[in-house]
Amino acid sequence: AQTVTQSQPEMSVQEAETVTLSCTYDTSENNYYLFWYKQPPSRQMILVIRQEAYKQQNATENRFSVNFQKAAKSFSLKISDSQLGDTAMYFCAFMKRSTGNQFYFGTGTSLTVIP
Amino acid sequence: NAGVTQTPKFQVLKTGQSMTLQCAQDMNHEYMSWYRQDPGMGLRLIHYSVGAGITDQGEVPNGYNVSRSTTEDFPLRLLSAAPSQTSVYFCASSSLGSNEAFFGQGTRLTVV
Repeated sequence: AQTVTQSQPEMSVQEAETVTLSCTYDTSENNYYLFWYKQPPSRQMILVIRQEAYKQQNATENRFSVNFQKAAKSFSLKISDSQLGDTAMYFCAFMKRSTGNQFYFGTGTSLTVIP
Repeated sequence: NAGVTQTPKFQVLKTGQSMTLQCAQDMNHEYMSWYRQDPGMGLRLIHYSVGAGITDQGEVPNGYNVSRSTTEDFPLRLLSAAPSQTSVYFCASSSLGSNEAFFGQGTRLTVV
């Protein structure tokens, strides 16, 4: 079974500052992907960043980057130069490739960017 | 470019009523799945399908039925709604060999 743990239910950050959201996971799979999704009040699921487990290099997307530690099964998200529009719920997710691209989600971190 | 379309967006049911949540995708994706989102619990997999005619159970399948008669559509049926099924439901689709999933906008269901 796969589990994804987000231990920070709520976080806040000052506008323009940097914040890191934590995520750990547990799996016996070798072929998988990790994702961070953003969910604003509109409840739309928006892909922020993804990481392929077999790639050692950490993924980056503009102001968003991850710290992927495969041995430790850790996958944190760093948001640089935080903006008011970053205020949202953030979900860490694991996808195993073996059976239909099933996703397993963490419980989410509610991020508030303070002006 | 419609992507994944869910209908309805909001629904209120009485306990014991039945209904079908619709999900359609226009990207010819093989994989489709249904999730429910409850406060403090993230999204949990209800049922998924790897192709037309093939479905399987996820983490929380009880109380829900699915079928996949076409590649495009993957409806979720509640045969006898219960208050415990009050939730936000998401449909997602992805392509074989891809690591990207597309989510619908969700259906907020309230069972009273």
